[in-house]
Amino acid sequence: AQSVSQHNHHVILSEAASLELGCNYSYGGTVNLFWYVQYPGQHLQLLLKYFSGDPLVKGIKGFEAEFIKSKFSFNLRKPSVQWSDTAEYFCAVSRFVYNQGGKLIFGQGTELSVKP
Amino acid sequence: GAVVSQHPSRVICKSGTSVKIECRSLDFQATTMFWYRQFPKQSLMLMATSNEGSKATYEQGVEKDKFLINHASLTLSTLTVTSAHPEDSSFYICSALSGSPTDTQYFGPGTRLTVL
Repeated sequence: AQSVSQHNHHVILSEAASLELGCNYSYGGTVNLFWYVQYPGQHLQLLLKYFSGDPLVKGIKGFEAEFIKSKFSFNLRKPSVQWSDTAEYFCAVSRFVYNQGGKLIFGQGTELSVKP
Repeated sequence: GAVVSQHPSRVICKSGTSVKIECRSLDFQATTMFWYRQFPKQSLMLMATSNEGSKATYEQGVEKDKFLINHASLTLSTLTVTSAHPEDSSFYICSALSGSPTDTQYFGPGTRLTVL
């Protein structure tokens, strides 16, 4: 079955630590890749996306992600996290489906807790 | 940026009643809207895809007679939970897509449904 897998359910870091959240998907062919963030009590916001081109994608708030096609991975990174990065992070994959737009399939989510 | 609103943000209803949730794209026309369900501490599960003026496409396992979706205009989609039961209690989130299927989905803030 087609799926998106996030390796870590809950990550706890201290401020200034580096972050890497893993994401793997099982679709073949062309996919679009996304990372969304959900801050406590807020709606999902787009962090970054990859459609084509440079596999290293830079997003908002200092986040970046690297698409490695051979590994079916799209890991999210940030060199130095802040307390305000505490949130739930979702990796998502979309493939064009006729008459259904770009259906998004989400990973399970990773809860990031940053200690001040 | 693109804004998607949902109304109501919270609703409590009695078992057996129906509840309608609205999803609006405020500053763009949404050719496609998606409805998701999110359980506590879990990922978003796609329920259905709706295109303006046509019938919604439901994901496997989602009862189309229970979750009625209407996408009457390019800025409004509604989800009606009919004959609600406590197990329908959840967080319902919509997203909207403008134009290209490879475009970014913008998410609404969600509606917390509690069925007593």
